[in-house]
Amino acid sequence: EAEVAQSPRYKITEKSQAVAFWCDPISGHATLYWYRQILGQGPELLVQFQDESVVDDSQLPKDRFSAERLKGVDSTLKIQPAELGDSAMYLCASSLEALNEQYFGPGTRLTVT
Amino acid sequence: TQLLEQSPQFLSIQEGENLTVYCNSSSVFSSLQWYRQEPGEGPVLLVTVVTGGEVKKLKRLTFQFGDARKDSSLHITAAQPGDTGLYLCAYQGAQKLVFGQGTRLTINP
Repeated sequence: EAEVAQSPRYKITEKSQAVAFWCDPISGHATLYWYRQILGQGPELLVQFQDESVVDDSQLPKDRFSAERLKGVDSTLKIQPAELGDSAMYLCASSLEALNEQYFGPGTRLTVT
Repeated sequence: TQLLEQSPQFLSIQEGENLTVYCNSSSVFSSLQWYRQEPGEGPVLLVTVVTGGEVKKLKRLTFQFGDARKDSSLHITAAQPGDTGLYLCAYQGAQKLVFGQGTRLTINP
């Protein structure tokens, strides 16, 4: 069964360092999402792509976060510089099209020290 | 953005017991979704409820959508350790999926 792949699964970094996460969606899925899930809370959307275009990044802290999906397939989420408050699970999800069922990857657990 | 309140926030019970968790709002929704998230994994969609008063069953899990489509409940019969996880409700907004904060369920053997 096709799955959303994410790497790394775990990342520990010091504050002020740069960190990057990678996501490979299910093949053929046009819509890709990045969520942040703080411990004890539900996931919150950071950015949504339709193919290679950003359709919603209203909750992305653009002073330090960036996301790209250059060829409309896999995607990278970057944080520079990382802050202590960025410690969270970063989830990637994909769907055939927007508003279709979303399939989530296993996430990247980020700890900023 | 409409708010989803889930209760209880934490629940720990013994294997074999029954339980109900809730997802409430003051807003009306066209549908609500329930997800289960196991430790170290992403959420997995369990069910979508669409019609007011609708009841859907998934093995020992029973999902109900309120008549007014403002709330939903999840009832688990004879809970098993494999039911342990974070149960999230969510609604599909105009542009994005919005989640509640979840109920963290622990089933003790």
